[in-house]
Amino acid sequence: GAVVSQHPSWVICKSGTSVKIECRSLDFQATTMFWYRQFPKQSLMLMATSNEGSKATYEQGVEKDKFLINHASLTLSTLTVTSAHPEDSSFYICSATGTGHTEAFFGQGTRLTVV
Amino acid sequence: GEDVEQSLFLSVREGDSSVINCTYTDSSSTYLYWYKQEPGAGLQLLTYIFSNMDMKQDQRLTVLLNKKDKHLSLRIADTQTGDSAIYFCAERKNQGGKLIFGQGTELSVKP
Repeated sequence: GAVVSQHPSWVICKSGTSVKIECRSLDFQATTMFWYRQFPKQSLMLMATSNEGSKATYEQGVEKDKFLINHASLTLSTLTVTSAHPEDSSFYICSATGTGHTEAFFGQGTRLTVV
Repeated sequence: GEDVEQSLFLSVREGDSSVINCTYTDSSSTYLYWYKQEPGAGLQLLTYIFSNMDMKQDQRLTVLLNKKDKHLSLRIADTQTGDSAIYFCAERKNQGGKLIFGQGTELSVKP
């Protein structure tokens, strides 16, 4: 299957700082990327959908000014958690799909801890 | 509406078969998926089935789809300890569309 690389795998940051998470499709063009958040022992909650070159579409209840998503190229999308607080601590996972793909391919996830 | 539900836990003995069940509400779902998640890792696609299919088999995995009852199941034959993980079912309406996930079923395989 296609490969999606997410970086970093884990990050610890101080309250009030911003953190950027990258999601790259290594061997295909990702026309659409999805960002999910997962709390321990819970399912994946879709945060936003981004199409290359367009503004991201955010799910209800997700603050777009806090979770900035950029999908500037067909191989890279970034999620920036701005002014992070301890309640933003979570596991963030991206997935990507391209033209002709039936499935979405997932990154390894990023464990964010805000102290 | 969109809702996918799974039972939360399943415990089996090594060598037995495991059956993980999932129900969904959106009858327009076109694609249905099973993903596996090991601790601290992302999701690994195990298999998927189109809504016009009843069954799909791939080595130890068998997916059954009852479209009338909106019920999906994943059977793992000869379950091994390495199969211990959380299994998510997910639905999608069309290619490129968002995935709607169930809560995940934690499979525990005892030696």
